[in-house]
Amino acid sequence: DAGVIQSPRHEVTEMGQEVTLRCKPISGHNSLFWYRQTMMRGLELLIYFNNNVPIDDSGMPEDRFSAKMPNASFSTLKIQPSEPRDSAVYFCASSLDRNTEAFFGQGTRLTVV
Amino acid sequence: AQSVAQPEDQVNVAEGNPLTVKCTYSVSGNPYLFWYVQYPNRGLQFLLKYITGDNLVKGSYGFEAEFNKSQTSFHLKKPSALVSDSALYFCAVRAFNQGGKLIFGQGTELSVKP
Repeated sequence: DAGVIQSPRHEVTEMGQEVTLRCKPISGHNSLFWYRQTMMRGLELLIYFNNNVPIDDSGMPEDRFSAKMPNASFSTLKIQPSEPRDSAVYFCASSLDRNTEAFFGQGTRLTVV
Repeated sequence: AQSVAQPEDQVNVAEGNPLTVKCTYSVSGNPYLFWYVQYPNRGLQFLLKYITGDNLVKGSYGFEAEFNKSQTSFHLKKPSALVSDSALYFCAVRAFNQGGKLIFGQGTELSVKP
């Protein structure tokens, strides 16, 4: 298996623009996580899906952030409009079920200028 | 609410010496505990986990961790550190009765000097 695949690897955008990050989980995994990593805040859980349903979105910073999982093999995290403080590395991870380890993608480094 | 604490931002050890990276957790119910490692500009890599059973669990690259229920700790250990072990280490917890979300500690930077 190719592992968790995220795209793009790097994204540079101007403030106010819409940004969409994409994730393909490992086939057969039914839990999916989106995390944000910054120096100041460490690794924050943004949202967690189980069987394509959002279970916990309490970490989503504000209404500018939204996430979808239309099927078991694809998820998106959208920021609209983007702001410089959204600059971070965004990770997607998936796990087989609710009590096993998660496997991480390589991340998307987002820079908002 | 579940949480994980890594009390040390940085741990420095000499190559060949034993290392310990500390982790404590707070969760209602039985915890599922994990350790991950992150190398620069990379994603997190799974090292080991405790779900149930023997309190001492062994993982990748010679690492092991000891689950201590009374102290609510899950410290990562290695008998003899290598320079190549230098990286950022994260402890994490999942609580099945809280939906199974995976929460990470703030990370500990391990530096192993020759």
